Amino acid sequence: GAGVSQSPRYKVAKRGQDVALRCDPISGHVSLFWYQQALGQGPEFLTYFQNEAQLDKSGLPSDRFFAERPEGSVSTLKIQRTQQEDSAVYLCASSLGLAGGTTGELFFGEGSRLTVL
Amino acid sequence: KQEVTQIPAALSVPEGENLVLNCSFTDSAIYNLQWFRQDPGKGLTSLLLIQSSQREQTSGRLNASLDKSSGRSTLYIAASQPGDSATYLCAVGTALIFGKGTTLSVSS
Repeated sequence: GAGVSQSPRYKVAKRGQDVALRCDPISGHVSLFWYQQALGQGPEFLTYFQNEAQLDKSGLPSDRFFAERPEGSVSTLKIQRTQQEDSAVYLCASSLGLAGGTTGELFFGEGSRLTVL
Repeated sequence: KQEVTQIPAALSVPEGENLVLNCSFTDSAIYNLQWFRQDPGKGLTSLLLIQSSQREQTSGRLNASLDKSSGRSTLYIAASQPGDSATYLCAVGTALIFGKGTTLSVSS
């Protein structure tokens, strides 16, 4: 596709359920990021992949959060035993991934809005 | 730990005004800085990317500057229009640490 695609756009879960959020990056983009955005706040970094390697997961708030990108393209963010404080918009972004430590310009998807009841 | 601050948090201006949005960051060892626009309920749209070796970037009515030594960036919007109304976010570094944004409202 032309842009970053995320699904589902909206997800309502009961507390304790597991959820999986999918991200399709722009074709050929090496770097992929996940962010969490609470209402009225800026996005908070969760984790970063370069191809299939998860290079930084320091932003994941607890061990209930897990992300993978097994073939270096599509990524899935999984949240186990969801809690109300997990309610937020989850944004995915991708970039070409330039050399020299910089990832270049990031392109974002529309996000997945998770509501935990 | 990198911290990013954006001032003001909100701004209302009449159409046609030139305006400046400010972004400051605590760790000057950054590779790049990026400005984004976010419309309500939408994802982020990239506006300008400034590499650490650059001092400014321009796109249409937008101009962004970067002063790494002072830990500051500004986004200048010329001749503002109602369509510019949105939240503007700056982010620094490889993993992109974001500020909380400036919500701009331009009235016709």
